[in-house]
Amino acid sequence: DADVTQTPRNRITKTGKRIMLECSQTKGHDRMYWYRQDPGLGLRLIYYSFDVKDINKGEISDGYSVSRQAQAKFSLSLESAIPNQTALYFCATSDLHRDYNEQFFGPGTRLTVL
Amino acid sequence: GQNIDQPTEMTATEGAIVQINCTYQTSGFNGLFWYQQHAGEAPTFLSYNVLDGLEEKGRFSSFLSRSKGYSYLLLKELQMKDSASYLCAVRDSNYQLIWGAGTKLIIKP
Repeated sequence: DADVTQTPRNRITKTGKRIMLECSQTKGHDRMYWYRQDPGLGLRLIYYSFDVKDINKGEISDGYSVSRQAQAKFSLSLESAIPNQTALYFCATSDLHRDYNEQFFGPGTRLTVL
Repeated sequence: GQNIDQPTEMTATEGAIVQINCTYQTSGFNGLFWYQQHAGEAPTFLSYNVLDGLEEKGRFSSFLSRSKGYSYLLLKELQMKDSASYLCAVRDSNYQLIWGAGTKLIIKP
């Protein structure tokens, strides 16, 4: 079944460590996104990519970087993790050619920075 | 600034009807989405409105008034499995989604 997957699903790390979160999709979608979700706040866009050669900053890109290794893969890195980056991280995909261009989400990665 | 407002929490009874409101102020408007998110899970797409009026899809309906910056999601014949958070999101002039914080819906027997 065409899907969006994220690894790891849970991660606990320490302040200052470098962390990579990975996202893969088999939907064949061209657009991919990284969001974080914090209690009481809406989803906030970190980075997005419309194709392999296109990377754009979102609302809260500071402290994060991304890599679009292929159409199907989009990775998020925290170069030096800090406690306020503790959150639930979601990867999403969309297809411009779908009627609504709605986004499909992966299962999420729960990251804790101590 | 851009803003999406939804009630934080609502409670309803199994079998009843509930209406979840969403008001928005955004830079441009290119459609409004409703998503359902069960605790600890991914958001899943429910509905999309870009023109004024009501869109019906089974037990769920969504309404939009662009002039009022207002939408609602109507859930009928509530079931226990409808206990979840409901997220309102607006696609702005840059085609980015601006998300509300979500409404946690609690269904009681």
